[in-house]
Amino acid sequence: NAGVTQTPKFRILKIGQSMTLQCTQDMNHNYMYWYRQDPGMGLKLIYYSVGAGITDKGEVPNGYNVSRSTTEDFPLRLELAAPSQTSVYFCASSFLGETQYFGPGTRLLVL
Amino acid sequence: RKEVEQDPGPFNVPEGATVAFNCTYSNSASQSFFWYRQDCRKEPKLLMSVYSSGNEDGRFTAQLNRASQYISLLIRDSKLSDSATYLCVVNSNNNDMRFGAGTRLTVKP
Repeated sequence: NAGVTQTPKFRILKIGQSMTLQCTQDMNHNYMYWYRQDPGMGLKLIYYSVGAGITDKGEVPNGYNVSRSTTEDFPLRLELAAPSQTSVYFCASSFLGETQYFGPGTRLLVL
Repeated sequence: RKEVEQDPGPFNVPEGATVAFNCTYSNSASQSFFWYRQDCRKEPKLLMSVYSSGNEDGRFTAQLNRASQYISLLIRDSKLSDSATYLCVVNSNNNDMRFGAGTRLTVKP
């Protein structure tokens, strides 16, 4: 099993550009999550999903969108990138909402 | 008040030392509790869950005090490889996981 994979590993965006961060898991987990981690800070939940077709907002959803059309994939969309979205983004999955398994992260820099 | 608070450290200890980290949480309805470990520029990984009765996994002991809304992690006989940031994680019953900012530990020879 590859576990949770994320692409890209690193990206530089200009203000106002858009992009999609990809996340895939092969563990057949029903729950998936997107977090951001700013330097010296804890992870903050952006969006989560408890199954295909179901998504919910987390603590910091503004400026982001998600979709969950399959069990395996949970992409995160940034429509109009802003410097405040410079961060490290982690995707995670879990079975029934307990132990979370994280992807390696995507480092995003918005200039 | 932050939902999950941890002493950021850093804790600098010699090999073989015993070190303890504390974490407090504000939501009394929180249902489950975890310690995660995060190495520099890596993703968090589960270290251990925290059960009401306390639990031990080798050199690591976790305890929960619901009345005081307090979680602890004790590491005995510290190894160089224990150097990392330790994240306290609290889950309310709506699957909204809240992470502390982490406590940084450096174990020195």
